[in-house]
Parts: sequence; structure tokens; C-alpha cells
Amino acid sequence: DADVTQTPRNRITKTGKRIMLECSQTKGHDRMYWYRQDPGLGLRLIYYSFDVKDINKGEISDGYSVSRQAQAKFSLSLESAIPNQTALYFCATSDQTREFGELFFGEGSRLTVL
Amino acid sequence: QQQVKQSPQSLIVQKGGISIINCAYENTAFDYFPWYQQFPGKGPALLIAIRPDVSEKKEGRFTISFNKSAKQFSLHIMDSQPGDSATYFCAARQRGTASKLTFGTGTRLQVTL
Repeated sequence: DADVTQTPRNRITKTGKRIMLECSQTKGHDRMYWYRQDPGLGLRLIYYSFDVKDINKGEISDGYSVSRQAQAKFSLSLESAIPNQTALYFCATSDQTREFGELFFGEGSRLTVL
Repeated sequence: QQQVKQSPQSLIVQKGGISIINCAYENTAFDYFPWYQQFPGKGPALLIAIRPDVSEKKEGRFTISFNKSAKQFSLHIMDSQPGDSATYFCAARQRGTASKLTFGTGTRLQVTL
């Protein structure tokens, strides 16, 4: 089983719908991240959390919200999806005990907003 | 504004050749420079990383060359193999920001037979 699991893997929705992408991890890491990948733009940080009570905005947080339900769970919500939120979304974790912590990514959630 | 500029966007190399991907940055507060490799349908995974106190790091066929004065770093893949075909991302971490990375735009590498 994957250490970082994202659900759903693929989702097609309509403009204005609320969408939640979920991430769970078994690595025991405190730090969790949501990134968005777009062709030609690379990976951009949406939100990150260093523990259950810590939530921080990344470089492109507008239109998104997150919830850290437990150490192992970090969900990303789009309250009212719009077509330019069509992208590949990645959850990642890192080890808080390492200064230069490696990011461990899930396999991604492909979201299409019509 | 892209803080880490990566080139080329795509690259085709013959088997056995050398693949070179370049990145440049402006922020002198960056203190850690990893490269991530991503295969189709998978998430990125750490390939190799360097800190700015060294000019080169080699792991097998993969080498990072770092030029602090020019604020540039590059990934060299020696003896490129078809299995190296993937998208490669350079990244940089600002000092004091834990593992919060700024990524380049990615390079799609295709190694042909």
C-alpha cells in the first residue's frame, strides 16, 4: 500500500460544485502539503501544515481551503470549483525531524472542472 | 514571478548520451537545491539534492553541478537510458522554511533507443 494515499484519483465536476480531495499518510510525518501541477508551470504550493493545529497559506491559496483532521489526514476543498482549477493535485509529507526534509508525494488527484 | 527558472522545457537524448537540465534562481536566501523525478501517473520523488557549500554532487549516473556566484545549478544524467524518460523538476528551499520548496517548471526528458 502507498505511504501517501490520495482520493479520488480522478474527478470530473461542474463549475460551482464543492469538491474535497483527501490525503492520508502512514509515514508518521507531522508535515503535510498540497501542491498543484499545471503543464508549463511546475508544482505550486497551495497550503501546508506542520502539525494538527497549524495551517499556512502557500503561493496560490485563493479559492482553496484545507482541513487537518488528524496527524495523518489533510484534505483540500474547493468551495465553488471553477474551470481554471482544472489541474493535477498532489499531497506530500515530510519528516519534521530533518532540517532538509525530503518530500514524499502521493500519486495525485486529477481534477477536471467543466 | 517564477523564482526558479528551468530549461529546457523538453529534451530528447539518444541512449548513452548526456542529458543536461539547467536551473537558475535569484533569491540568495535559498539554501537547499533538490531535483525530483516524476514518471507518468506517479508523484514526484527525490532524485538527488545539493547544498550551496559544495560545487558538485554525484550519485551514480546523476550529478548536480552548482555555481553559487552565477546562481545556477544543473542536473547531468550520464549514459542516459530509456528508463530515465520522465519529467524532472529542480527546486529550492528558502532558509528557515523547513521543507517548503519552490519548484521549477519541469523538463520532460525522452531517451530514445
